[in-house]
Amino acid sequence: NAGVTQTPKFQVLKTGQSMTLQCAQDMNHEYMSWYRQDPGMGLRLIHYSVGAGITDQGEVPNGYNVSRSTTEDFPLRLLSAAPSQTSVYFCASSSSLTPTYNEQFFGPGTRLTVL
Amino acid sequence: GESVGLHLPTLSVQEGDNSIINCAYSNSASDYFIWYKQESGKGPQFIIDIRSNMDKRQGQRVTVLLNKTVKHLSLQIAATQPGDSAVYFCAEKGDDYKLSFGAGTTVTVRA
Repeated sequence: NAGVTQTPKFQVLKTGQSMTLQCAQDMNHEYMSWYRQDPGMGLRLIHYSVGAGITDQGEVPNGYNVSRSTTEDFPLRLLSAAPSQTSVYFCASSSSLTPTYNEQFFGPGTRLTVL
Repeated sequence: GESVGLHLPTLSVQEGDNSIINCAYSNSASDYFIWYKQESGKGPQFIIDIRSNMDKRQGQRVTVLLNKTVKHLSLQIAATQPGDSAVYFCAEKGDDYKLSFGAGTTVTVRA
C-alpha cells in the first residue's frame, strides 16, 4: 500500500491565485482530514470528511473548500490564495476498524508559499 | 483557542536515558489523549493513546500517564535512542472525529 499520498510536494503561488492540493489514500479509510502546520505551532484542522459525500468544517476553514466524491480522494481547494495561507499542509486518514479514529495516518505534506 | 499545550518547547536527552515529555490540557470533556511523533520533513506518526478513564498505558518503550486532577499528560520514552529525535505532539479528542493538537516539544538525543 502507498498509504496517504499528497501532491504536489512544493508549490509557490501569487496572491489571488487558486489551486488544488491533492490527497489520496489506498487503505479504504472512511475518515479523511486536512491540517495546516505553521512554524512553532501544532496542526490545525481545516476540513474533514467521515465518508464519500460528507464533509464538515474544522478549526480554520475560511479560504478553503473540500469535496469527497470517492473514498480514496479528498482534494483541498484554495479559492484565492493569501500570504496568510503560507504553510505546510497535511492530509490524514483513519479507519473505523480502529473505532476511536485516534490513529490517523498522515501524508508527507505539501509546502505552500503564497507571495 | 488552543486547549492543549506542552510545558517545554525543547528537550535534550542523553542517549540511553529516559525521556519525559509533558503536556497540559484544559478540556476536561476530552475522551482521549494521544501522542504523535513527527520526524523532520515527514508527517506525524501515531505513538499511543489513552482513554480519559485510565491513568496509565504502556506501549513498546513508551508509557503515557494521565493525571486528571491537574490536567496533565506525559509521555515517557525508555532508553532513548537517536531515532527518537523528533517533535512530539499531544492531542486530545472529544466525542467527535476531530483532534486538537498542542504546539509540540522538540526532542534532541545526544550521543
